[in-house]
Amino acid sequence: DAKTTQPPSMDCAEGRAANLPCNHSTISGNEYVYWYRQIHSQGPQYIIHGLKNNETNEMASLIITEDRKSSTLILPHATLRDTAVYYCIVRVPLLSNFGNEKLTFGTGTRLTIIP
Amino acid sequence: SQTIHQWPATLVQPVGSPLSLECTVEGTSNPNLYWYRQAAGRGLQLLFYSVGIGQISSEVPQNLSASRPQDRQFILSSKKLLLSDSGFYLCAWSVGGGVYEQYFGPGTRLTVT
Repeated sequence: DAKTTQPPSMDCAEGRAANLPCNHSTISGNEYVYWYRQIHSQGPQYIIHGLKNNETNEMASLIITEDRKSSTLILPHATLRDTAVYYCIVRVPLLSNFGNEKLTFGTGTRLTIIP
Repeated sequence: SQTIHQWPATLVQPVGSPLSLECTVEGTSNPNLYWYRQAAGRGLQLLFYSVGIGQISSEVPQNLSASRPQDRQFILSSKKLLLSDSGFYLCAWSVGGGVYEQYFGPGTRLTVT
């Protein structure tokens, strides 16, 4: 799996957009970008994933650069409940049921939403 | 909708005592199931995964074992706990065959004293 680099911490004012960057310069053509977050003392929560097109769901938007070497997770209107550690993961999804979809989390970005 | 349950939420056990953590999933069939451990301030470490009843694969040698007696039940066990077994234990599920996300339970915080 390609290595990712994220800033260790970020602050964002409540109600503003939170933009979390991730560098994955060694990403290969069949690797997807995934984002998870972990609120303190809870299990990780899936947010979004993408291959090369920008993606949006009810939680966030994912912007992937054209060369796919970096991406940005956008929380459009951050709330206090968005305070968490955000993990960017790059990997090839398994396409069979005979393997292991192991997730490897790095240190992530600790996002603090400020009232 | 699918839900995943883990219990207990917290556990304090003495060294040398046995362990049994249970995870159950509702609302899906034949899920892939995973046990992870997260030590304080560290990332997730995959311990076991299962693609079906009775099918367990271990990622790292350790003092723990896992079993899957039913399709949506995953159990993590130990005969004798070590201090190094302390951590936050997370169960997760996914549907194989091209679905990309995993869904995690609330976790069990285990302290071995």
